[in-house]
Amino acid sequence: DAMVIQNPRYQVTQFGKPVTLSCSQTLNHNVMYWYQQKSSQAPKLLFHYYDKDFNNEADTPDNFQSRRPNTSFCFLDIRSPGLGDAAMYLCATSRTLGTEAFFGQGTRLTVV
Amino acid sequence: GESVGLHLPTLSVQEGDNSIINCAYSNSASDYFIWYKQESGKGPQFIIDIRSNMDKRQGQRVTVLLNKTVKHLSLQIAATQPGDSAVYFCAENPGGGYSTLTFGKGTMLLVSP
Repeated sequence: DAMVIQNPRYQVTQFGKPVTLSCSQTLNHNVMYWYQQKSSQAPKLLFHYYDKDFNNEADTPDNFQSRRPNTSFCFLDIRSPGLGDAAMYLCATSRTLGTEAFFGQGTRLTVV
Repeated sequence: GESVGLHLPTLSVQEGDNSIINCAYSNSASDYFIWYKQESGKGPQFIIDIRSNMDKRQGQRVTVLLNKTVKHLSLQIAATQPGDSAVYFCAENPGGGYSTLTFGKGTMLLVSP
């Protein structure tokens, strides 16, 4: 019954080795978001897609990219992970902007 | 590895007590607010929301109060249970209308049996 599904739940990657995190949704929502959350902090928005329109937050490093090949799927690509990129990555969806966001269970990324 | 995070404000209560979690927001144009509950290792889960044309909204065991004059939001949980232990975040829609949510700092609620 999960509506926003993130894979994998846990990901270990090597320093500098590209990694991709996946998110899918069954809600047919227009908006998909990627958040980064570090320990004891609030989720921080990296970017979002409204349909096919990509919107990057001003302070999101170039190291982070995203793809949305269709309504259901969205990917987070980290081109060269650094130790500081270790965090929980949360995908969320909403019907439109300014409405309730539904979150996945997150992917915990460890960089070694 | 992961950087050391900030220390979360913590509210400790006994089972059966009522809990009040507070949130201050900064943008007077914010017109929509949500409270999320996040259990350890999981994604945030919607609890209750409120629009700026209201000052109170009730759900099952939860009430959200909005004071626009002082830009303050609170979440009241009645008869708190151990399963309510989690981190609670308020989120606001700062742009009014169509914009992305901004999350507050979060409060950890610890419920003792």
